[in-house]
Amino acid sequence: KAGVTQTPRYLIKTRGQQVTLSCSPISGHRSVSWYQQTPGQGLQFLFEYFSETQRNKGNFPGRFSGRQFSNSRSEMNVSTLELGDSALYLCASSRQPPGTGRSTGANVLTFGAGSRLTVL
Amino acid sequence: KNEVEQSPQNLTAQEGEFITINCSYSVGISALHWLQQHPGGGIVSLFMLSSGKKKHGRLIATINIQEKHSSLHITASHPRDSAVYICAVGDTGNQFYFGTGTSLTVIP
Repeated sequence: KAGVTQTPRYLIKTRGQQVTLSCSPISGHRSVSWYQQTPGQGLQFLFEYFSETQRNKGNFPGRFSGRQFSNSRSEMNVSTLELGDSALYLCASSRQPPGTGRSTGANVLTFGAGSRLTVL
Repeated sequence: KNEVEQSPQNLTAQEGEFITINCSYSVGISALHWLQQHPGGGIVSLFMLSSGKKKHGRLIATINIQEKHSSLHITASHPRDSAVYICAVGDTGNQFYFGTGTSLTVIP
C-alpha cells in the first residue's frame, strides 16, 4: 500500500514569492494534517483537514493556508515568503483526526517524507 | 509556555540498556502520540495512547491521565534505536502540541 506522498521534496524560493506544497494521503485516510519543523521551534502544528473541512489551525499567520480536495489530497500554500519560513513541512494522514480520543488505531498518523523549503 | 515537556533532551546509552523517556503535558488531552524521527527527517508513529499501556516489540508506552504524564521505554536498546523521540498531544480543543524531542544515541 502506497504511503503518504509529498511533493516537491525540495524547493528553493526567494522572499516575497509564494509556494504550494502537495500531500497525497494513504488511500482511505480522510484526515490530513500539516506541520512545520525548524531547528529553532521544533515541530509545530499548522492545520488539519477532514473530509474537505479545516477542523483546526495552529498559531500561524494568514499567509499560511491550505485546502483539501474530495479525493482527500491536500495542498498548503504560503504566500509572501519570509526567510523564517525556511523549514521542513510535513504532512500526515490518518483515517480519523489525530486528536480523536479513542485509541482505536484509526487516528494513528502516517507521515510523509516532507518538503524542505529554503527561502533566500 | 510549553504545553508538552520532554526529558531528558539528550540521552546516550550503551547497547542493551533499558531506556526511559518522559513526557509531561499541561492540557486536557484526547490522545497522546509517541513519534520517532531518524536523521534525514522521516517520522514514524510508534504509539497512540489515550489510556493505559501499549507494547510493541521492545517498546512500551504508558500514560497516567491523572498525573498528565507518559513514558516511553525501550528494553534491550540497540544502535538502530538511535533517533529523536517526540511526544505529541492532541488536546480536547483539537489543537496539537509537540515536545522538543529527546535525542537518543545508543553506543555499541
